Parts: sequence; structure tokens; C-alpha cells
Amino acid sequence: GAGVSQSPRYKVAKRGQDVALRCDPISGHVSLFWYQQALGQGPEFLTYFQNEAQLDKSGLPSDRFFAERPEGSVSTLKIQRTQQEDSAVYLCASSSLEQGRSEQYFGPGTRLTVT
Amino acid sequence: AQSVTQLGSHVSVSEGALVLLRCNYSSSVPPYLFWYVQYPNQGLQLLLKYTSAATLVKGINGFEAEFKKSETSFHLTKPSAHMSDAAEYFCAVGGHTGFQKLVFGTGTRLLVSP
Repeated sequence: GAGVSQSPRYKVAKRGQDVALRCDPISGHVSLFWYQQALGQGPEFLTYFQNEAQLDKSGLPSDRFFAERPEGSVSTLKIQRTQQEDSAVYLCASSSLEQGRSEQYFGPGTRLTVT
Repeated sequence: AQSVTQLGSHVSVSEGALVLLRCNYSSSVPPYLFWYVQYPNQGLQLLLKYTSAATLVKGINGFEAEFKKSETSFHLTKPSAHMSDAAEYFCAVGGHTGFQKLVFGTGTRLLVSP
């Protein structure tokens, strides 16, 4: 079946622009996570949704970062007024159980480059 | 707080040789431990996970890992490397309670030479 998909796969933004990154989780998956992976680093947690509820956003680096999942399916990560330090791969993962207590399936990521 | 340390950003082996990728964890609660593999331009794929059952965990593609509480380690091994094993490997730790936020190590790139 279809896995987790993310779009766009690559995004180049000029400093100060707003960007929106989309995640389509596996159908029926309750839990959805966003991670940020800087070059040469492991993924770092950004935020977690259970259905449409954002239960944890402690990893969001600043108030320029905003995530939503209004219908409990597709999720969008928005970054306002992008900065160079926002350049990274943004990974989305979904899981079939609440709290993500089953395997997390990762999408291919969106590589954001801020120039 | 939980953390993971992966020793060696790069590991090189010959095809057919033993693969050993090291991971040490720190956790104030009994951990769940994971190994993920990442191929270029792809997402992470779960290789195996430890969830407090058997300490020796077998995963996909012939990989296995042993949980050693006394050493706070969860090293990944494979008896015989294959060219297709060349990839980035990440160790991660999660908790028994609450939602499963994963804390990843910095990764180890496995290089396999013919």
C-alpha cells in the first residue's frame, strides 16, 4: 500500500519567505510526527499530533514554526520568515496507534534550502 | 531526559565482513530502543526494536542487536556485510510511557567495499 508521502520533495526559499510543507500519512494512522534533520545530524522531534489534536509542540524551534492537522489526516508544517538556520530536511512520520506506540513510518522528507 | 550516542560517524567494512555499529543510550526510565536505516533521498526504515522482551533482537536484512543494561548499549551487528547495506544508520531511544517521541543519535554511515 501507499506509504507516507511528502511534498514538495525540494524547496528553495529566499530568506524571509514563508513556506508550507505537506505530509500525507498512511491512511487511518492516528499519530503523526514532524522531525527536523539538519545536515550530518539525526532527526530531532518538532511536534506530535494525535488525530487533529496537537499534543506536543515542544520541539518547534521558534514561533515562526506552525503545524496543523485540521481533519486528522494531512498535516502541514509552515515556517514564516525563513532564516538560513531553517535549512534542513523535514521528515514526517505516522503511526497506527495512539501516542505513536507502534512502528513509525517515515516519509522521504522535504529538503528546505534557505538562501 | 533521554539521549543516544553513536560512536563513529563512518564505519568501513569489506563485503562479507562483520558489521558492528555502536550505540550507547542514557535514559532515566526503561527505554525502548530502535535502529533505523536511511538510504539516500529516502525516509528512515525501521530495522529492529527493543521493547523489554528478549534482549537479543533480530531485525530485517540479517541485522540483530543486543540490549545490555549493564553497559547501556544496543549495538547493531550483521555477520556478513553486503554491498546493499551501505547506508546511514540511526539509533534512537523512546520511552515506555507517554507518546513515542524518538530521540536519535547523529548516525553512522556504513561504507562497504568489494
